[in-house]
Amino acid sequence: QQPVQSPQAVILREGEDAVINCSSSKALYSVHWYRQKHGEAPVFLMILLKGGEQKGHEKISASFNEKKQQSSLYLTASQLSYSGTYFCGSLTRPRGGGSNYKLTFGKGTLLTVNP
Amino acid sequence: DADVTQTPRNRITKTGKRIMLECSQTKGHDRMYWYRQDPGLGLQLIYYSFDVKDINKGEISDGYSVSRQAQAKFSLSLESAIPNQTALYFCATSENSGGWETQYFGPGTRLLVL
Repeated sequence: QQPVQSPQAVILREGEDAVINCSSSKALYSVHWYRQKHGEAPVFLMILLKGGEQKGHEKISASFNEKKQQSSLYLTASQLSYSGTYFCGSLTRPRGGGSNYKLTFGKGTLLTVNP
Repeated sequence: DADVTQTPRNRITKTGKRIMLECSQTKGHDRMYWYRQDPGLGLQLIYYSFDVKDINKGEISDGYSVSRQAQAKFSLSLESAIPNQTALYFCATSENSGGWETQYFGPGTRLLVL
């Protein structure tokens, strides 16, 4: 099942903050965040494995609430370089255990930062 | 040199033609993936391979086939291309690290089916 991202798009002025949410109807083992700039390939930002864990990348941080099956990406004091599409990916364990995890991406959130 | 390469980068073909998209990696990863990206739909998994002898269907495998020729090479074929297969295709690789794995994407192949 594809995780659900919200909002679908957000427009900011440079220096403003934004939050992107990701939720899943299935139990999450971990949440992965990627950013794709226009015309480029997606690039890994961070992984959150434990419930409540928060990670940071530059002024971008994220949290993971395992019980609520949700993750949020926080972009503070946004810069022009933050513009792009942000994808969350949910990793679910295979039935019966094993190591054949599969990552399913959400539809993405388009972030535009204007001067 | 790029760690994950895709050829061709752009391709125009006609309905009914068979085409192959190729992916090579120098990262030494066991796991390789093919994704399709359409505007507003995110990244949809077509096929994935966890090692040379392991091939698995993803969410949207109909109309596609793959071949894992070696650890470093994973090809995607469209047996009989149709216009709704027009999309941006990405190959990705990852290491088996028990759920922590990071996926590394190639530059993408833009395919237009007329």
